[in-house]
Amino acid sequence: DSGVTQTPKHLITATGQRVTLRCSPRSGDLSVYWYQQSLDQGLQFLIQYYNGEERAKGNILERFSAQQFPDLHSELNLSSLELGDSALYFCASSVRPSSLLQPYGYTFGSGTRLTVV
Amino acid sequence: DAKTTQPPSMDCAEGRAANLPCNHSTISGNEYVYWYRQIHSQGPQYIIHGLKNNETNEMASLIITEDRKSSTLILPHATLRDTAVYYCIVRVINNDMRFGAGTRLTVKP
Repeated sequence: DSGVTQTPKHLITATGQRVTLRCSPRSGDLSVYWYQQSLDQGLQFLIQYYNGEERAKGNILERFSAQQFPDLHSELNLSSLELGDSALYFCASSVRPSSLLQPYGYTFGSGTRLTVV
Repeated sequence: DAKTTQPPSMDCAEGRAANLPCNHSTISGNEYVYWYRQIHSQGPQYIIHGLKNNETNEMASLIITEDRKSSTLILPHATLRDTAVYYCIVRVINNDMRFGAGTRLTVKP
C-alpha cells in the first residue's frame, strides 16, 4: 500500500456520460498530480494541485476538470466521455515544496481503470 | 526539463545484474535524475534519484557519469519480479514529472 488511495478501482460507463475519480493523497502530502495512461500511449501528465490551488496543466482536455479540497483529497471529473477516454487514470502525491536537500519524488496510487462503452 | 533517451527493451537473466542506460545529454546543473518503474498496470514505483554523485539504496544503484550526460540504473540481482517498464526522468525540483516511453525490462529464468 503506497498510502495514495484511488477510488473506484474500476469504472464502466457509456459514451456521453460524466464520471468522477477520487484520490486521497499520502498523509502529509500537499500536492496531487493526475496522469492518464492509454493502451497506445505512455503516462500523460494531466494536472497538478498544491494545497487546493491549481499549479500546472499538462495535456488535459477541456472536457476534463479537477479540484483539490480543503482536506487535500482531489477529484478528477471527466465529462462527455468518448471511447478514446478509456484508460488507466493515476493519481500521485508529493511533499512540496521540495528543497535541494530533499528533492521529493512522487508516490502513485494503484489507479482507476475507466472503460467507456 | 531535459529530454531522455532509453532503449525500448532489454532482457536480463535471472540472478544477473540488470544495467539500464539513460542518455540525458542536455541536462542542466539543477536537474535531478529520477528512476521509476511500472510493473504491468500498477502505479509507477519510485526507485532512486540523484544529482551528481552515485547513489545506492535497497532497490538499486544509480551511476551518473562525471559530465552528467548519461546514467545507468543497476539492479544487482534481477528477479522475475523486476520485469517492468523502467522510466528515466530528468527534472528540476518542483517541476512536474514527465514520463517518456521507458525501457521494457524482461527478466528471464
